[in-house]
Amino acid sequence: DAGVIQSPRHEVTEMGQEVTLRCKPISGHNSLFWYRQTMMRGLELLIYFNNNVPIDDSGMPEDRFSAKMPNASFSTLKIQPSEPRDSAVYFCASTWGSGSPYEQYFGPGTRLTVT
Amino acid sequence: AQSVAQPEDQVNVAEGNPLTVKCTYSVSGNPYLFWYVQYPNRGLQFLLKYITGDNLVKGSYGFEAEFNKSQTSFHLKKPSALVSDSALYFCAVRDMGTGANSKLTFGKGITLSVRP
Repeated sequence: DAGVIQSPRHEVTEMGQEVTLRCKPISGHNSLFWYRQTMMRGLELLIYFNNNVPIDDSGMPEDRFSAKMPNASFSTLKIQPSEPRDSAVYFCASTWGSGSPYEQYFGPGTRLTVT
Repeated sequence: AQSVAQPEDQVNVAEGNPLTVKCTYSVSGNPYLFWYVQYPNRGLQFLLKYITGDNLVKGSYGFEAEFNKSQTSFHLKKPSALVSDSALYFCAVRDMGTGANSKLTFGKGITLSVRP
């Protein structure tokens, strides 16, 4: 199994530009999570989906952030417009059932730098 | 509400010595507990979990953790540390009784540094 796939691995963009991060979960998993990691705030859950439906987006910082999961094998996290404070590593993770005892599998992350 | 506390920012040990990385948790009901490790520039990797049953859980790379309900703790241990164990370690918890749609809460992480 290829594991959770994220693209791009690195993204450098200028303030005000739109950024789209992509995630392909492990085949068969039905829950997907987006996290953000910074030195100051640690690991934060932004949003998670169960069976392609957003369940909890209370961690999304503001309206500039949006996430979609059009099917079981693909999700996007979009930032529009981007700001320097959005610079972070963004992780996607997947598992079987968000409420289950199964562990989450993390992707390698996308390192976003907004200048 | 559920929460995790990792009271130390960093743990330093010498190679070959035993190591302990501490974690305490708070949930309303019974917990599912997890440990993850993150190496530099990598995603988090699952180490081990406690669901139910034996309080001593064994995981990857020789790590183990002991669930202590009375102390609400789930400390990670290894009998003999390796330099390659140096990484960031996260404890996480989920309340078993919160239903099908609930999230995992992570601690802030502890940096383990093993010196040769």
